[in-house]
Amino acid sequence: EDKVVQSPLSLVVHEGDTVTLNCSYEVTNFRSLLWYKQEKKAPTFLFMLTSSGIEKKSGRLSSILDKKELFSILNITATQTGDSAVYLCAVLSGGTSYGKLTFGQGTILTVHP
Amino acid sequence: DSGVTQTPKHLITATGQRVTLRCSPRSGDLSVYWYQQSLDQGLQFLIQYYNGEERAKGNILERFSAQQFPDLHSELNLSSLELGDSALYFCASSVGGLAGALAYNEQFFGPGTRLTVL
Repeated sequence: EDKVVQSPLSLVVHEGDTVTLNCSYEVTNFRSLLWYKQEKKAPTFLFMLTSSGIEKKSGRLSSILDKKELFSILNITATQTGDSAVYLCAVLSGGTSYGKLTFGQGTILTVHP
Repeated sequence: DSGVTQTPKHLITATGQRVTLRCSPRSGDLSVYWYQQSLDQGLQFLIQYYNGEERAKGNILERFSAQQFPDLHSELNLSSLELGDSALYFCASSVGGLAGALAYNEQFFGPGTRLTVL
C-alpha cells in the first residue's frame, strides 16, 4: 500500500525563523511529488517535483526531491505569520494512463509574531 | 476566487440518504478531481476524470460514484450515507491530467461542499 509520511506533525516558530518540513514516501511507480498549503479554506498548490536534486523556488519557499532516499523537503525562510497553515505533501504514482494521488497527514505550522 | 465552483455550499442530511455534489471546473480545464477532507482522515483523493473519462482512483468507497459530463462539469454521488461520511468535499480542476501524454498541471481547488450526516 502506498504511504506518505510527513514530519513534524506540528511546528511552532517565531517570525523570521527558517523551517524545514519533511515528506517521505513509499509508493509503487513514483511519478511526482506535490506540495500544497492549506489555510482555513481549500488547499493551494505550491510545487510539483519530478526530478531528483533540482530545487524549485517561489519567493521564500523552496523544495527539493531525493528519489534515491525517497523524501522531499519544503523550506520556508524568514517566516511570517501569514505562513501559518497546514502544509500537505502528496505523491503521484501509477502508470502512463492511470494515476493515484496519496496525501500525507500534513504538518501544522504556526508562526508567532 | 479559483474559478472552480461547487454546489451546494452546505448539505445536511440523514443516514441512509443519497446526495449529489456538483462541480464546475475553470473554463478550459479538462480534468476534475474529487477530494474528501475529514478531521480524522485528513485530505483524501477520491477520483479524477479527464475529458469525461476516469483516469485515477484513490480511496473512494463503493457507495460513492462520480462522472464527468460532456460540458465538463462533474457530479459526485454519495449513497447509503453514514455518519462517517460527514466531511468537506473539495473539487479541483486542471488543464491536463495526472498521467498520460499531457504533463501534469497545477490544480485549482473549489471552495468545497460541507456535508453533515445526522
